Amino acid sequence: DAGVIQSPRHEVTEMGQEVTLRCKPISGHDYLFWYRQTMMRGLELLIYFNNNVPIDDSGMPEDRFSAKMPNASFSTLKIQPSEPRDSAVYFCASKTRVAGELFFGEGSRLTVL
Amino acid sequence: GQNIDQPTEMTATEGAIVQINCTYQTSGFNGLFWYQQHAGEAPTFLSYNVLDGLEEKGRFSSFLSRSKGYSYLLLKELQMKDSASYLCAVISLYNQGGKLIFGQGTELSVKP
Repeated sequence: DAGVIQSPRHEVTEMGQEVTLRCKPISGHDYLFWYRQTMMRGLELLIYFNNNVPIDDSGMPEDRFSAKMPNASFSTLKIQPSEPRDSAVYFCASKTRVAGELFFGEGSRLTVL
Repeated sequence: GQNIDQPTEMTATEGAIVQINCTYQTSGFNGLFWYQQHAGEAPTFLSYNVLDGLEEKGRFSSFLSRSKGYSYLLLKELQMKDSASYLCAVISLYNQGGKLIFGQGTELSVKP
C-alpha cells in the first residue's frame, strides 16, 4: 500500500517567493494533518482537516500560510511570501479515525534563503 | 491549553534498559502515543495507551497513568539502531477530530 506521499522532498527558494507543498493522504483516511518541525520548536501542528474540511488552523503562524484540501486525495500548504524563518521540514500525516495511529509522509525540507 | 514535557536527551548502553518519561497537561485527553523518529526520517508509530497500565510490545513497553498525567516508554535490550528521537504525543478531543500534539522529543543515544 502506498503511504502518505509528499512533494517536493526538498525545496530551496529565495525570500519572497511563493512555496507550495503537496500531500496525498492514504486512501480512505478521513483526517489530514500538516506539521512543521524545527530543532528549536519540535513538531508543531499547523492545521488539520476532517473530510476535507479544516477543523483547527490555530497553529498556522500567520496569514502568509494557507492550506487547502479540495478533495479527499490531495492537500496543499502554501507560503506566500516565504521568509528565512519558514525554513523547516513540513510533514503531512493522515489517519482513518479520531484516535487512530497517525501515518506520516517523508516530509518536505524547505530552505528559504 | 496543552503542555507536554519530556527530557531533551538521554544516553544509555547497548543491551541495557532505558525509561523515557513524559508528563502532560491537556483538556479532552483521549490517549497518548509514542513515536520514534530517526534522524532525517519521518516519525513512526510505536505505541498507544488510552487506559491506565502497561502495554507491552516486544522490546518496547509503554505505561500510562491518567490521574497523574504521566507516561513512560521502556526500551529493553537496547540496540544501536534504537538511537533516535522518541516523541510523546497526546490526543485531545477538545476541538473535535482527535488533534495530536507532540512533545519536543527525547534524543536517545545508545553507546556500545
